[in-house]
Amino acid sequence: DTEVTQTPKHLVMGMTNKKSLKCEQHMGHRAMYWYKQKAKKPPELMFVYSYEKLSINESVPSRFSPECPNSSLLNLHLHALQPEDSALYLCASRTGSNSPLHFGNGTRLTVT
Amino acid sequence: RKEVEQDPGPFNVPEGATVAFNCTYSNSASQSFFWYRQDCRKEPKLLMSVYSSGNEDGRFTAQLNRASQYISLLIRDSKLSDSATYLCVVISNRDDKIIFGKGTRLHILP
Repeated sequence: DTEVTQTPKHLVMGMTNKKSLKCEQHMGHRAMYWYKQKAKKPPELMFVYSYEKLSINESVPSRFSPECPNSSLLNLHLHALQPEDSALYLCASRTGSNSPLHFGNGTRLTVT
Repeated sequence: RKEVEQDPGPFNVPEGATVAFNCTYSNSASQSFFWYRQDCRKEPKLLMSVYSSGNEDGRFTAQLNRASQYISLLIRDSKLSDSATYLCVVISNRDDKIIFGKGTRLHILP
């Protein structure tokens, strides 16, 4: 069982919709991540939060908007997405530098 | 040279055989190394960390060769359930950057 929980597991949305992906961890990890993964590719970093502050934004389009309400929660707000944004969105957390990432089970997003 | 390189495979290996694959990295400041396995349409799961002295977890052995800048994963007595993509992850000591390899696909054949 994963200790990082993501909801929903699957999401289908139109290009004009607004939706949010949610991630929760109770391991006390202070760094949380959003990754995007396309088929047969490695995860691609989108955002990093460290101690609830956005520390890295990998030039992600503004139609993706992250939010970290507290140390256990991470959201990704989606608006006006494109079909090419369809992918597996992975949340991850870790204790600190040089420690491994722990991934949630992901949200499979389809944009129609 | 790419930061982290893996042979994409697929490696098609009969059940019960031993299989090994490597991951090379270019940044000598790399400090931490991990192997993940990822099943189709699932999240990556941490398989094992890789320590300087090498480490073993059941049928799995991970090794680090700093001089040649590669890590390896050896799977003994392979099972059908070992079929997956194995991702190598390298973390830089200098900036804590996390780099994923593109993964090696393994198919265990009955």
